[in-house]
Amino acid sequence: EDKVVQSPLSLVVHEGDTVTLNCSYEVTNFRSLLWYKQEKKAPTFLFMLTSSGIEKKSGRLSSILDKKELFSILNITATQTGDSAIYLCAVAPRDTDKLIFGTGTRLQVFP
Amino acid sequence: EAQVTQNPRYLITVTGKKLTVTCSQNMNHEYMSWYRQDPGLGLRQIYYSMNVEVTDKGDVPEGYKVSRKEKRNFPLILESPSPNQTSLYFCASSPNRGSDEQFFGPGTRLTVL
Repeated sequence: EDKVVQSPLSLVVHEGDTVTLNCSYEVTNFRSLLWYKQEKKAPTFLFMLTSSGIEKKSGRLSSILDKKELFSILNITATQTGDSAIYLCAVAPRDTDKLIFGTGTRLQVFP
Repeated sequence: EAQVTQNPRYLITVTGKKLTVTCSQNMNHEYMSWYRQDPGLGLRQIYYSMNVEVTDKGDVPEGYKVSRKEKRNFPLILESPSPNQTSLYFCASSPNRGSDEQFFGPGTRLTVL
């Protein structure tokens, strides 16, 4: 059965800290991995990763995929209170158009 | 403004009373999908649609129906709602496939008593 596991479930840090969020997956015929940020409302897209070893970057956020070890990490440097959210990882198998989400990591950043 | 809209945003209903949650997108996207989000379980896909008149089951389709008669609309139908369908529901769309960036609607919080 296809599965996406995120860790940690929850993380509490102070502003300025750097955090690393993990996403591991078991999917037959991997197509892509996506990261979303969910604040108090709908998820919003962060990154899509399809190739191993190529870092995607947007400001203080970056992400990388390891297709051999079946995981991805999302890094946030110099965290701010506005980074507080649930971060969702999702994997798209190649042979269907389903999207399989992990349960998310809740990040809380305190001043 | 490019967006996905859902209605209603909040709904309290009783067991067995048929309801429809509407979803509409104005981006001419091919792919649309419904998810439910429950504490500790994350987002789970209910149904998705690759195009008009083409729908497929996600991971939790039991108790739900969908239709895609027009490209922009993808309503979610609960023929006989039960309390275990109390959840936060999201509609999403993407240009072509589920693996593309998906744009999510604002969510519908449903309570079934």
